[in-house]
Amino acid sequence: KAGVTQTPRYLIKTRGQQVTLSCSPISGHRSVSWYQQTPGQGLQFLFEYFSETQRNKGNFPGRFSGRQFSNSRSEMNVSTLELGDSALYLCASSFWGEKLFFGSGTQLSVL
Amino acid sequence: AQRVTQPEKLLSVFKGAPVELKCNYSYSGSPELFWYVQYSRQRLQLLLRHISRESIKGFTADLNKGETSFHLKKPFAQEEDSAMYYCALSGGNYGGSQGNLIFGKGTKLSVKP
Repeated sequence: KAGVTQTPRYLIKTRGQQVTLSCSPISGHRSVSWYQQTPGQGLQFLFEYFSETQRNKGNFPGRFSGRQFSNSRSEMNVSTLELGDSALYLCASSFWGEKLFFGSGTQLSVL
Repeated sequence: AQRVTQPEKLLSVFKGAPVELKCNYSYSGSPELFWYVQYSRQRLQLLLRHISRESIKGFTADLNKGETSFHLKKPFAQEEDSAMYYCALSGGNYGGSQGNLIFGKGTKLSVKP
């Protein structure tokens, strides 16, 4: 099976812009989670989707949003980018919520 | 507040020596705890979960509710064990779900020949 695919791999944006990141889960997986990884804060949970419904949300401002499509693919959006949003964004999928399979991540740099 | 603490940023041992990666947690209720590992240039992956009570690659971890700890142990470290190790706690509303994980900051294990 192909692994979790995240696109793009790298992204450079400027402050104030918005960005959309994409995640394609492993075939058959219905749960997709997003995490932000920074050197200072480590891995922090953003949100989890299951069958197109958000079932958990982390402690991030409303500028961070996500969605899941009927084919389980997921996108996350960050509006009005700030310098502090520079991070590696990881997506993970699972069949129900047990073992997570992580993608390689999207490295976002905000200038 | 739910929290996972890994007190050591870096742990360096020699090949064949025992290794213990410390993890303490704060959680009200029955915790679900996991160890994830990231080898160089590889993706983050599950190593083991406490509910399985299994040994993976020689590693074990016992949940100690009294000390709120979930330390990862291996009696004889190998060079291929060198990696970043993350302890994680399931904070979701769905029992056993790993979709919402609270991660520690991680410990980098370096096993020297």
